[in-house]
Amino acid sequence: ETGVTQSPTHLIKTRGQQVTLRCSSQSGHNTVSWYQQALGQGPQFIFQYYREEENGRGNFPPRFSGLQFPNYSSELNVNALELDDSALYLCASSLKGAAGELFFGEGSRLTVL
Amino acid sequence: AQRVTQPEKLLSVFKGAPVELKCNYSYSGSPELFWYVQYSRQRLQLLLRHISRESIKGFTADLNKGETSFHLKKPFAQEEDSAMYYCAGGSQGNLIFGKGTKLSVKP
Repeated sequence: ETGVTQSPTHLIKTRGQQVTLRCSSQSGHNTVSWYQQALGQGPQFIFQYYREEENGRGNFPPRFSGLQFPNYSSELNVNALELDDSALYLCASSLKGAAGELFFGEGSRLTVL
Repeated sequence: AQRVTQPEKLLSVFKGAPVELKCNYSYSGSPELFWYVQYSRQRLQLLLRHISRESIKGFTADLNKGETSFHLKKPFAQEEDSAMYYCAGGSQGNLIFGKGTKLSVKP
């Protein structure tokens, strides 16, 4: 069974740039959720994708967008990067209907200068 | 607003001592509550959920609706329990996490 994998593991961008983060879900999982974890904070829900459509969104502006592909992998895109976007971005996969059991990746550490 | 609060950033105990990590929630309706754990150099993983009423690695957590709490307890801490613990509430992948409590178990 393959776990959740994320890429890249680390990246540095400058303010105003755009970034794409990628996630491969665990085998058999059909739902992907993205979280932002700032230093010293708990993960904060960005959005969730199920059947290639957004299925819930947290309190994040529209410049945070995502995609889910037919193989259930997913992308998180952030436009017009701001310094406060510096964080660990976590992807989690799950089965639709599974009561909150998320399987997390190791995350992508984004630094915005 | 829905909220999960973990009042302690750090909890330090000696091996064999009882452990209680506190979690309070503010939710409308009936929340689903979870404890997630992150061991050193490992990814975040589910420890237990309130609907299962299970004991995992000796840890239990009881939902107290009157006090809106979901504290995590273990009667005898082990060194391998040292980790970051997050309380979370919600459902279907849309979870609200607390800020986490770092548990340090000293020999």
